[in-house]
Amino acid sequence: DIVMTQTPLSSPVTLGQPASISCRSSQSLVHSDGNTYLSWYQQRPGQPPRLLIYKISTRFSGVPDRFSGSGAGTDFTLKISRVEAEDVGVYYCMQATQFPRTFGQGTKLEIK
Amino acid sequence: EVQLVESGGGLVQPGGSLRLSCAASGFTFSSFEVNWVRQTPGRGLEWISYISTSGRTIYYADSVKGRFTISRDNAKNSLYLQMHSLRAEDTAVYYCARGSGFDSWGQGTLVTVSS
Repeated sequence: DIVMTQTPLSSPVTLGQPASISCRSSQSLVHSDGNTYLSWYQQRPGQPPRLLIYKISTRFSGVPDRFSGSGAGTDFTLKISRVEAEDVGVYYCMQATQFPRTFGQGTKLEIK
Repeated sequence: EVQLVESGGGLVQPGGSLRLSCAASGFTFSSFEVNWVRQTPGRGLEWISYISTSGRTIYYADSVKGRFTISRDNAKNSLYLQMHSLRAEDTAVYYCARGSGFDSWGQGTLVTVSS
């Protein structure tokens, strides 16, 4: 199974400042079709997860452009350019390159 | 509006069975793969099963293989998860999630396995 490792596990940030979350996979996420199926999800308190980014860097419909994804192979990053209060929650990366699908442990974003 | 609504959760004794349902609306259900994902405070998000659009291709996590069965009824826009031989460690909120990108999730249904 592909192990997904996120860092940090907790990230206190100041409103208006940037935030960055790293996700590393135990093996390359490049699929035989040439795509890399790495997604990012946001889970606000009391809510189900919500898709933010798919295939490394494509923002899902309705996701603000302050969210961006980057990376390749085994190393990926989610960045928030300017954190807003509504961004508080837990962020997960997930690989869908092979079964079983696997998630990172989650990174809790909190406001300082 | 895309909607996924899970139901069927509850309290069950160890060794018991439960059937979860996920009702889909707002999109052409038969055109999308679907997944079950569960979440516990201790283990975070765990993917547990996938079913293709036709239902002919199915995958399970090792943790539930042989005990859980995923199925779908495209005529009823519904996804199911039949769970047998339930264990305490199956206690979780169970979500259905649409597509290979998990682009839409239900609100979840809580399954508690306890005597």
